[in-house]
Formats: sequence, C-alpha cells, structure tokens
Amino acid sequence: QKEVEQNSGPLSVPEGAIASLNCTYSDRGSQSFFWYRQYSGKSPELIMFIYSNGDKEDGRFTAQLNKASQYVSLLIRDSQPSDSATYLCAVRGSNYQLIWGAGTKLIIKP
Amino acid sequence: NAGVTQTPKFQVLKTGQSMTLQCAQDMNHNSMYWYRQDPGMGLRLIYYSASEGTTDKGEVPNGYNVSRLNKREFSLRLESAAPSQTSVYFCASSEPLIGGNNEQFFGPGTRLTVL
Repeated sequence: QKEVEQNSGPLSVPEGAIASLNCTYSDRGSQSFFWYRQYSGKSPELIMFIYSNGDKEDGRFTAQLNKASQYVSLLIRDSQPSDSATYLCAVRGSNYQLIWGAGTKLIIKP
Repeated sequence: NAGVTQTPKFQVLKTGQSMTLQCAQDMNHNSMYWYRQDPGMGLRLIYYSASEGTTDKGEVPNGYNVSRLNKREFSLRLESAAPSQTSVYFCASSEPLIGGNNEQFFGPGTRLTVL
C-alpha cells in the first residue's frame, strides 16, 4: 500500500517567520508531488507542484524534494495570518492517481 | 467559468435512504473524480473517470455507484445510505491522467450526514 504521511499538527508559527511543512512518501518511483491548501470548510486548491527533477520557488512558497530520504517540503516565507490553513501533500502514484496525506494544520500567530 | 460545481451543498439522510450527488465541470477536462474526506484523514478516492464513457473504482468504492453522463457531468449515487458514509464529498476534474501536471480542480463539496 503506497502511503503519504504528514504530521497533523497544529504547527504554530509567528507572523513573519518561515513555516516548514514536511511530507514523506513510500513509493520510491514517485515523480510528481503536489501541495494543496485547504481553508476550514472549503475545498483544496493547488499551490505548488514539482517534478522529481528539481525544487521550485513561487513567490513566498518553495517546494523542495529529497529523493534519497523520500520526503518533500513546503517552505512559506514571511508567513501571514492568511496562510493559516491545512496543507495537503499529494503524490502521483504509478497509476497516475494522487495519493493524499492527511494534512498539516498551520496556524500563523499575529 | 464556474469551474467545478456540486449539488447539493448539504444533505441529511436517514439510514437506508438513497441519493445522488451531482457534479459538473466547464473546463473541458477529460478526467473526473469523487473523493470523501473524513476528520483526520486524507482525501480518499471513491471512483474516477479517466475519460467520457469509462469509470473505475478507487480506494473506497463499496456502497457507491457512479455515472459519467457526458464529458461535463459525473454523478455519485448512494443506494442505501449508512452512518459510515457521513462525510464531506468532493468532486474534482483534471486534464488527462497521462501527461500534464495532473492538477485537480475541486468543487465546493457536499456535506452529508446519515442518521
């Protein structure tokens, strides 16, 4: 059974600091990785995706992949209260379906 | 563009009742999905449709049926609802499974309670 694991949190970070979220995956052959944000009572929305060939930066968000240790990270710089949400990690499996982690709840304290 | 729409937004059923959740997308996507989300758990795939005319079981298909009515619409049916099916149901759509970044776009969800 392919798995994606995340610490459920909550992860509490002061406003303006860097929030670091991690996700481990079991399928060594995985090549596509996704980070979704889900506000309470809302649906998930994609914020970043990366392929196995490199990291990616988009504004305040950076996604990093460590293939040797099989984890993917999401860094949020200059954290804002509006970043408070649950962050879902998803990994594309061999059948092209997404395998989802349970999510990490992030709280940004003003 | 409305994106992905779902109806109804909320529903309360009694055990044994049946209902159909509707989903439609206007992004001309080939692939559509039904997920359920329970507290403390990730999204779990119920059924998916890789393209019009095809449907396949996901991780948790028992107690559900689906219909891919056309390219736009993908419905989920509960034939005899059980309390274990109390959950939030999300429909999603994406570009074809093979190739592309497989970004999935989600509808607003249906919050279902089975008493």
